[in-house]
Parts: sequence; structure tokens; C-alpha cells
Amino acid sequence: QQQVKQSPQSLIVQKGGIPIINCAYENTAFDYFPWYQQFPGKGPALLIAIRPDVSEKKEGRFTISFNKSAKQFSLHIMDSQPGDSATYFCAAFWSGGSNYKLTFGKGTLLTVNP
Amino acid sequence: NAGVMQNPRHLVRRRGQEARLRCSPMKGHSHVYWYRQLPEEGLKFMVYLQKENIIDESGMPKERFSAEFPKEGPSILRIQQVVRGDSAAYFCASSPSRDLLTQYFGPGTRLTVL
Repeated sequence: QQQVKQSPQSLIVQKGGIPIINCAYENTAFDYFPWYQQFPGKGPALLIAIRPDVSEKKEGRFTISFNKSAKQFSLHIMDSQPGDSATYFCAAFWSGGSNYKLTFGKGTLLTVNP
Repeated sequence: NAGVMQNPRHLVRRRGQEARLRCSPMKGHSHVYWYRQLPEEGLKFMVYLQKENIIDESGMPKERFSAEFPKEGPSILRIQQVVRGDSAAYFCASSPSRDLLTQYFGPGTRLTVL
């Protein structure tokens, strides 16, 4: 059972475009939703995160939109640059439990062409 | 402050051999998590440890896999009698007690089983 579904699997945009990556979750107990960025050969790095009590969060060029009723959230990258080319993972987390494990989506490979 | 360190970065084993993966968390972090990433898949939680304790091993295969985080030294993920299906990237993450929501990932160990 895949608890966090991520789409699209891959995405190609031109420099300056606004790629959008979508995620949907099933477990309503999740209460923290981070996004990770991973470059080839590297470990994932935390990019931005949101709690379900807000509908949007911005950090620099990265924005998370959150729809609690639909159990969906998305990442938008404004003015995308070739250096943003990476794999992006959404994740979900239940802070009320004792195990603190992240449940990841399958990832989106983003390519930003110059 | 050095990040999470993992070694070796690449490990090649023949079927039936043992693999030992090491993880040194960030300084001051006492919580360690291991994740496995298969090709074109997201990261899957394996085990969560604190010093000398396994808190949650619900993602660990029942056989051949074990993990420890001793009082002194790195955390070890041990895979006995490796099979080809164990080929994957294994990532370790750590977090401080004051912020269990934020997990910092290491660069990973890429295990290849011949």
C-alpha cells in the first residue's frame, strides 16, 4: 500500500518555467509534510516543509500549497534554473507516534533546460 | 559541523557474503534512521534507533538484516548472506532530540551484489 503518491514521475521545463509536483496522501494522521531534493550520488536534503494548519508556505523560489480536505500538497518552483535539476521527493510524517519515520513518494526527476 | 557520514560509499559483495554499512550521525544527534532506496523508487524506512536501543524496526526484513547503534561508535546496518535483491542505496539520517521532525541524510552507501 503506497501511502504517499507522487506525480509526475519526470518533468522537463525551460529555464524560468514553474514546474509543479503533486503529492497525495491517505493517512489522515500525517501532520508534517517535507520536500526533499536529491542530486545524483548524494543524499536527500530538506528543502521546505509544511504543517496542515496552513495552506501555503514560501521559502525563496520554493512554495508548498496544501489542501487538507483533498489530502493533497504540491511543490512549485518559481523561475526555475538549470541548477534546480534534481529528483524531488515529497514525504509525510506523523509526529504523534513514537517512531518518527518518513513515508516518501517515489520521486520526480526534474530537468530544467537552459 | 560535519554532516552525517556514511562508509563505505560503494560496496560490492558476492551472493552469500556479509555487508556492513556504517553511519556516523551529526554531532549531538542521538537519533538514527536507516532507509533503503531501490532504483526508481522512493526511500523506504527500515529502522529507527537511539543510542543502544532499537525503537522501531518495522521496515526491516525479518531475516538477514540487523541494525545497532552502540553507546560508542557509529550505527551499523548489517546484511548477512546478501542476495541480488539487496542491491540498493542505503541512506542513514540523524536528528537531534530537540527537533525530531528534521532528518539530515548522509550521502548513502551503494551496495551492489554480484
